Amino acid sequence: AQSVTQLDSHVSVSEGTPVLLRCNYSSSYSPSLFWYVQHPNKGLQLLLKYTSAATLVKGINGFEAEFKKSETSFHLTKPSAHMSDAAEYFCVVSDRYSGYSTLTFGKGTMLLVSP
Amino acid sequence: EPEVTQTPSHQVTQMGQEVILRCVPISNHLYFYWYRQILGQKVEFLVSFYNNEISEKSEIFDDQFSVERPDGSNFTLKIRSTKLEDSAMYFCASSEGYNEQFFGPGTRLTVL
Repeated sequence: AQSVTQLDSHVSVSEGTPVLLRCNYSSSYSPSLFWYVQHPNKGLQLLLKYTSAATLVKGINGFEAEFKKSETSFHLTKPSAHMSDAAEYFCVVSDRYSGYSTLTFGKGTMLLVSP
Repeated sequence: EPEVTQTPSHQVTQMGQEVILRCVPISNHLYFYWYRQILGQKVEFLVSFYNNEISEKSEIFDDQFSVERPDGSNFTLKIRSTKLEDSAMYFCASSEGYNEQFFGPGTRLTVL
């Protein structure tokens, strides 16, 4: 069975400082990994995805994530936080066993950005 | 930019009542999904739908739940007899294939 652990429920940063949101996954089969973001009263928006191509994945709004199989991690980073990045972030996995149609979500990390 | 829409944004109902949550997926998408998020908990998969039938469902998706694509645009989730524990945010999603799922803004269901 696949699962995702987001190690921090809340992360606070100052505007202009780096962002690191941590995610570890468990999957018995070839996983696809995603980061979704949810702004208040909005739907879930895909930031980036890993699907067995390059291990360093670049997404929208300056975010990127690195797939590390040896560490079963897929941490999300951004060099410099912006106030508009404040939102909830979800790490998500799907795998070949589930037919890649079933997404398994982490509990989410709330990113707080202060001026 | 095309997007998934959901109505209503907030639904309040009495325990035991039937509710129908509505979704309009992106028009050229063929795969449709429902997820839910109970307050403070993870987003959980409920069901996926393709070619007018359920392709996968989770343990949560019991006989009280049903899905339907009544016409070419809507995708609905029906809960026949709501329970207090059905209170949650329900998200609809759609995709072209087994790739990026596009999510709607959600319907907050409150069962009293």
